[in-house]
Amino acid sequence: GAGVSQSPRYKVAKRGQDVALRCDPISGHVSLFWYQQALGQGPEFLTYFQNEAQLDKSGLPSDRFFAERPEGSVSTLKIQRTQQEDSAVYLCASSSYDRAGANVLTFGAGSRLTVL
Amino acid sequence: GQNIDQPTEMTATEGAIVQINCTYQTSGFNGLFWYQQHAGEAPTFLSYNVLDGLEEKGRFSSFLSRSKGYSYLLLKELQMKDSASYLCAVIDSNYQLIWGAGTKLIIKP
Repeated sequence: GAGVSQSPRYKVAKRGQDVALRCDPISGHVSLFWYQQALGQGPEFLTYFQNEAQLDKSGLPSDRFFAERPEGSVSTLKIQRTQQEDSAVYLCASSSYDRAGANVLTFGAGSRLTVL
Repeated sequence: GQNIDQPTEMTATEGAIVQINCTYQTSGFNGLFWYQQHAGEAPTFLSYNVLDGLEEKGRFSSFLSRSKGYSYLLLKELQMKDSASYLCAVIDSNYQLIWGAGTKLIIKP
């Protein structure tokens, strides 16, 4: 597609519920990143994929967070047993180069998760 | 630890010039980005600096001094649509992108 598409744009979950957030990167982009952005803050790194391989998951805050990109295109970020502190905007970004390429990231508009 | 510092908020007048500063302390340096983010929208790329000096692109310019760990974004002929947050991000030695908290720029008529 022309840009990075994320869905849903808004998600309200009850505490303890599982959620799945989808990212459709730019076609052919090798690198895919997930970030978490709290209100008034910069993006915080969660995880990085190069094609289908998850090369870095050091930013995932707990084992309740899981991400996959099975065919090297669409990615899903899953959060199990959501907590109120998980409320944030989840941004997906993709790039045509690998991580060392220091290339410009194209971001999606984000999925805003609110946990009640 | 790694740290990126930017002012939290700045106010400027339409038609004027504003400079947004960014200082960083990171483990290594492989480049610095500036992104613009309007409220509720995706961050969009503005500039990339890896060598010292000034990069000019239309109304926007970005400066880098690696020895000082310092960058600034200069916005000229401000327009109301420039009201947004401006994010500074540094690539460290592990090719991780370290982000600042962003500077919210408010433009007044």
